[in-house]
Amino acid sequence: GAVVSQHPSRVICKSGTSVKIECRSLDFQATTMFWYRQFPKQSLMLMATSNEGSKATYEQGVEKDKFLINHASLTLSTLTVTSAHPEDSSFYICSASTRTGGYYGYTFGSGTRLTVV
Amino acid sequence: AQSVAQPEDQVNVAEGNPLTVKCTYSVSGNPYLFWYVQYPNRGLQFLLKYITGDNLVKGSYGFEAEFNKSQTSFHLKKPSALVSDSALYFCAVSANTNAGKSTFGDGTTLTVKP
Repeated sequence: GAVVSQHPSRVICKSGTSVKIECRSLDFQATTMFWYRQFPKQSLMLMATSNEGSKATYEQGVEKDKFLINHASLTLSTLTVTSAHPEDSSFYICSASTRTGGYYGYTFGSGTRLTVV
Repeated sequence: AQSVAQPEDQVNVAEGNPLTVKCTYSVSGNPYLFWYVQYPNRGLQFLLKYITGDNLVKGSYGFEAEFNKSQTSFHLKKPSALVSDSALYFCAVSANTNAGKSTFGDGTTLTVKP
């Protein structure tokens, strides 16, 4: 089945630095990828929708200059948290959308635990 | 706008007993409905989905869900719970015309006690 690889699984960074999270579709082409943020014991909050070769569409309230998304190829999307602060500490999850037989399916990455100190 | 409600934050069942995790939804048009499971510090794992066809959907690890259009519900069920089923469960809905953007419920923590 479809597999999405997300790296790193955990990262600790100093306040003010930038962190890049990668999301790769291993055995399929993902024209659309989604980036979610999850706070402890809470649901997933969609941050942005990333389409290959075009600018990401950000949800209301998400700072596009802070959360840079690049989807340069059909198998790779990246999320860069710029000038990270402790309040950016969270669990970030990517998801790739695939269309099979006329219907959409979604495969999630394993998530990245970001801690900003 | 689409939305999902999981009315129970926590569900506790004894091992071997049947379990139900509730989900209701609201969406324009025909829904795509999903259940996912999440273990601590992990991403979401797909359990099952309803797109069209039979209202009873069978998925991974012995789970099943019943689509009820009149009640706009998609409850997750398992005839006999295992301790290893203890996890966080999310229901999600997507309109079949929106290029795949899903809305998730708040999640239900399932605890299965020996």
